[in-house]
Amino acid sequence: DSGVTQTPKHLITATGQRVTLRCSPRSGDLSVYWYQQSLDQGLQFLIQYYNGEERAKGNILERFSAQQFPDLHSELNLSSLELGDSALYFCASSVSSGDSTDTQYFGPGTRLTVL
Amino acid sequence: AQKVTQAQTEISVVEKEDVTLDCVYETRDTTYYLFWYKQPPSGELVFLIRRNSFDEQNEISGRYSWNFQKSTSSFNFTITASQVVDSAVYFCALSEAGAGGGADGLTFGKGTHLIIQP
Repeated sequence: DSGVTQTPKHLITATGQRVTLRCSPRSGDLSVYWYQQSLDQGLQFLIQYYNGEERAKGNILERFSAQQFPDLHSELNLSSLELGDSALYFCASSVSSGDSTDTQYFGPGTRLTVL
Repeated sequence: AQKVTQAQTEISVVEKEDVTLDCVYETRDTTYYLFWYKQPPSGELVFLIRRNSFDEQNEISGRYSWNFQKSTSSFNFTITASQVVDSAVYFCALSEAGAGGGADGLTFGKGTHLIIQP
């Protein structure tokens, strides 16, 4: 158990809908990262937050957004969902340095299925 | 741009055999970090090792060992006396710590699916 929690574990929804994925980092970690894992694209970095502020953006679509709250939990919002958004979404957290060279500990993931 | 290549898509060996997973990376930075993660059938990503670009010492942890060679831009992972529980997908990843401050997330390889047959 990495100490990173993600909810829900599974999510099934329809095209055009909006969903919110939630992540709680390990105790003491200030950075949260979101990744998408799909069969065709592999594991891709989406976005990073550090202590409540956006730190870096990767291959995140404009339909997707995220935020990190004062209690350091983070939410990833996916809107206008398409079939191609079906994937495993991981959250990771790391200690307070604020860059991705720290070890990132991953949550169990949320499997999103868009029908 | 940074890139990680894991040329072996799938490897199948019989239990107790040794197996090496290859990882080749590309980066323009002189300071960077390399990682290996394991993804068992249950789906979670489990951290195995982190190594910085200035530390070329090989590392051994039980049956696991890692060989880092800057001259060939490789960071290979060897499992000695493999066990069925080692069956998983293994990912190599890179993070740069250059002028951008390393704030670009991890760049992952496509992964190697390791199958250990009893």
